[in-house]
Amino acid sequence: AQSVTQLGSHVSVSEGALVLLRCNYSSSVPPYLFWYVQYPNQGLQLLLKYTSAATLVKGINGFEAEFKKSETSFHLTKPSAHMSDAAEYFCAVSKASYDKVIFGPGTSLSVIP
Amino acid sequence: EAGVVQSPRYKIIEKKQPVAFWCNPISGHNTLYWYLQNLGQGPELLIRYENEEAVDDSQLPKDRFSAERLKGVDSTLKIQPAELGDSAVYLCASSHDRDTGELFFGEGSRLTVL
Repeated sequence: AQSVTQLGSHVSVSEGALVLLRCNYSSSVPPYLFWYVQYPNQGLQLLLKYTSAATLVKGINGFEAEFKKSETSFHLTKPSAHMSDAAEYFCAVSKASYDKVIFGPGTSLSVIP
Repeated sequence: EAGVVQSPRYKIIEKKQPVAFWCNPISGHNTLYWYLQNLGQGPELLIRYENEEAVDDSQLPKDRFSAERLKGVDSTLKIQPAELGDSAVYLCASSHDRDTGELFFGEGSRLTVL
């Protein structure tokens, strides 16, 4: 069975500092991996996705993530945090493009001015 | 292009009452999902439709929850009777691009059961 763990339910960074949100997955097959962001009182929207092409994936708003098979990780990073990045971030995994998507518990990101 | 539309956005009911949520996916999206999101947690899949067929409803509590997608377009999720523990956000999502698996979410329906 697939699963996703996100280390740290809450992360605080200063404006301009590096953002690092951790995600580890378990999957019996090469996975599809996603990061979604959820702003308050809104639905989730896709930040970026890994679908077995390049291991370093670039997404919207300056975010990127690197797929590391040996570590079963897909950590999300952004070089410089902006106040508008404050939101809930969810890592997700799927066995295939047409299979169900399983979400992690989420990490709440706060950005301190 | 209109996004995924859900209604109502908020619903407050007393326990044992019925409630229904409606979802209209993005035009042309053949796959529709209902997810449950409890406070501070990630979304959990309730049911997934391919057109009008429910292809994965293993996590749907069938004693009180039901869903339908009669014409393969919009969908309704019903709870009858509602329990206190059903208080949560019910998210609808749709997808079409089978090569990427990207989900498009609505804003959700927040249910409070008193």
